[in-house]
Amino acid sequence: EAAVTQSPRNKVAVTGGKVTLSCNQTNNHNNMYWYRQDTGHGLRLIHYSYGAGSTEKGDIPDGYKASRPSQENFSLILELATPSQTSVYFCASGDARDEQYFGPGTRLTVL
Amino acid sequence: QQQVRQSPQSLTVWEGETAILNCSYENSAFDYFPWYQQFPGEGPALLISILSVSDKKEDGRFTIFFNKREKKLSLHIADSQPGDSATYFCAASEGTGGYKVVFGSGTRLLVSP
Repeated sequence: EAAVTQSPRNKVAVTGGKVTLSCNQTNNHNNMYWYRQDTGHGLRLIHYSYGAGSTEKGDIPDGYKASRPSQENFSLILELATPSQTSVYFCASGDARDEQYFGPGTRLTVL
Repeated sequence: QQQVRQSPQSLTVWEGETAILNCSYENSAFDYFPWYQQFPGEGPALLISILSVSDKKEDGRFTIFFNKREKKLSLHIADSQPGDSATYFCAASEGTGGYKVVFGSGTRLLVSP
């Protein structure tokens, strides 16, 4: 069964600080995705990756970087966190558009 | 500009009724439409999906009706159960573009016993 894990599950950061959200998948999927979920906006794509070493900008990439050092790991990096980045972040993996497997989410609060 | 729109934002039905969740889209190139179900505190999970070559897809109590001409689709949940209470996301993607999926803003469904 698909397994996507995220860490940390909850994070409180200060404005201007650096935040790294990590995602690990054990499905050997090529594609991985980072979304943020906000009330009224649903899920919005931040960055995605087709495989190790690749990252692509999604629909709302400003203020975020991504890193895919291996098939299994995909990180989302906020170099200078701002309160507007307070949200719930979901990582997902998938080999085709047929299904994306989502992690449990990370709740980030930027004070 | 939201490419995938859902209505209503929230919906309450009685146990045993049919819940109808609506979705519309703008991009004519979209040809695959998955619906995801999300329970509080969890990530979304694929519930049912349809390709644009079909006008109906059934899976147990869940049915998608698709109208390509009007760019509309709906998810019908028959014999709704309290356990169906969740947020439902309509999504869409096109054949090109690397498997990006665009999500709607969701419909929060509450099934009252």
